[in-house]
Amino acid sequence: GAVVSQHPSRVICKSGTSVKIECRSLDFQATTMFWYRQFPKQSLMLMATSNEGSKATYEQGVEKDKFLINHASLTLSTLTVTSAHPEDSSFYICSAEGTYNEQFFGPGTRLTVL
Amino acid sequence: RKEVEQDPGPFNVPEGATVAFNCTYSNSASQSFFWYRQDCRKEPKLLMSVYSSGNEDGRFTAQLNRASQYISLLIRDSKLSDSATYLCVVNEVGKKSSGDKLTFGTGTRLAVRP
Repeated sequence: GAVVSQHPSRVICKSGTSVKIECRSLDFQATTMFWYRQFPKQSLMLMATSNEGSKATYEQGVEKDKFLINHASLTLSTLTVTSAHPEDSSFYICSAEGTYNEQFFGPGTRLTVL
Repeated sequence: RKEVEQDPGPFNVPEGATVAFNCTYSNSASQSFFWYRQDCRKEPKLLMSVYSSGNEDGRFTAQLNRASQYISLLIRDSKLSDSATYLCVVNEVGKKSSGDKLTFGTGTRLAVRP
């Protein structure tokens, strides 16, 4: 149980385009999902907390207009990187919260912006 | 001071060795503690939660010392497949409510050699 999927797993795009990443909890419902970013050899950095049916809570320094989050159902949250630039290239990982505060992670999306 | 500190390693051990990971956290109000493992270019996967009384799962033993704000993970009889980065994870807010943020240590890399 506690499987989280993420799509796409890898995306390469041109600078200025927008990229949408989907995060789904496959066998459980998640009121809360999280979006992280991880640069090479660094720890996961929380970008935002996504709550079903309400606005996401963004961490300090994360632009909400650039990283649009929508959590329309108990099993789906989406992150849209708008007007992507090379510095946005990173490993984006979502997680869904379980019953005991643990988080189950999706397999991640590797974004490369040319 | 970092919120969650770990020795970055790497720890290079032979198969069958016992290896210990240590972690300290700064928020004394934290209530939930976890060890995750992350393989190269993959998402973190929950290894085990850490309970106040200490807990064991097969070859893995986790312990918590609240007074010292210290968490440990012991791996006995290490296998080649144990090679990964081990992440110490602590919830930030300190109350068991939905949406608690997790703070990740930078991880300790383990390499088990034949």
